[in-house]
Amino acid sequence: GIQVEQSPPDLILQEGANSTLRCNFSDSVNNLQWFHQNPWGQLINLFYIPSGTKQNGRLSATTVATERYSLLYISSSQTTDSGVYFCAVLRKNTGTASKLTFGTGTRLQVTL
Amino acid sequence: DTGVSQDPRHKITKRGQNVTFRCDPISEHNRLYWYRQTLGQGPEFLTYFQNEAQLEKSRLLSDRFSAERPKGSFSTLEIQRTEQGDSAMYLCASSFAAGYRADTQYFGPGTRLTVL
Repeated sequence: GIQVEQSPPDLILQEGANSTLRCNFSDSVNNLQWFHQNPWGQLINLFYIPSGTKQNGRLSATTVATERYSLLYISSSQTTDSGVYFCAVLRKNTGTASKLTFGTGTRLQVTL
Repeated sequence: DTGVSQDPRHKITKRGQNVTFRCDPISEHNRLYWYRQTLGQGPEFLTYFQNEAQLEKSRLLSDRFSAERPKGSFSTLEIQRTEQGDSAMYLCASSFAAGYRADTQYFGPGTRLTVL
């Protein structure tokens, strides 16, 4: 199956700092999503981004499909950004298969 | 706009008991997925439905697990003869997809199962 690696595994930031999270995947993909999992376990959609660049407020994401990686940028971090960030992909040419394969996540802690 | 809902949110059971979880997807979504997440890991795919048809099952889904989506709306996931290794967060997601087009999956809040 497809392999999804995220880095760094852990990140501690001071409030106001910027950060970049990376997701590498081992095969061509039809779908790539970024999620934020809050302390209660809820997975919150951040981006659906199989290719290109998108921005939403302080967050932006870029996927370079030909080079098989995606980046999530967090600017001016806030304590509410704390949690685990997951990248998840759907491998191309899977017919009717629709399962997302998740990375192991980046655990972010934003301190005052 | 109602999101994906799951019930119960927490379940504590004794080893050997049966448990059933329910998922209500976003109303216009035709696809429904079940995932399992253990501590420190990302969610892992269990199974998915397109309308009422169960189209794929993971090897993680042993014979003790069964999922249904009888009318193409809500779904249930049953675990028979629970084992301590079944302790995990069970996540449901839904999406609208036409043909082979991949679309955004939206997740519910999860059911946290603890098997004593």
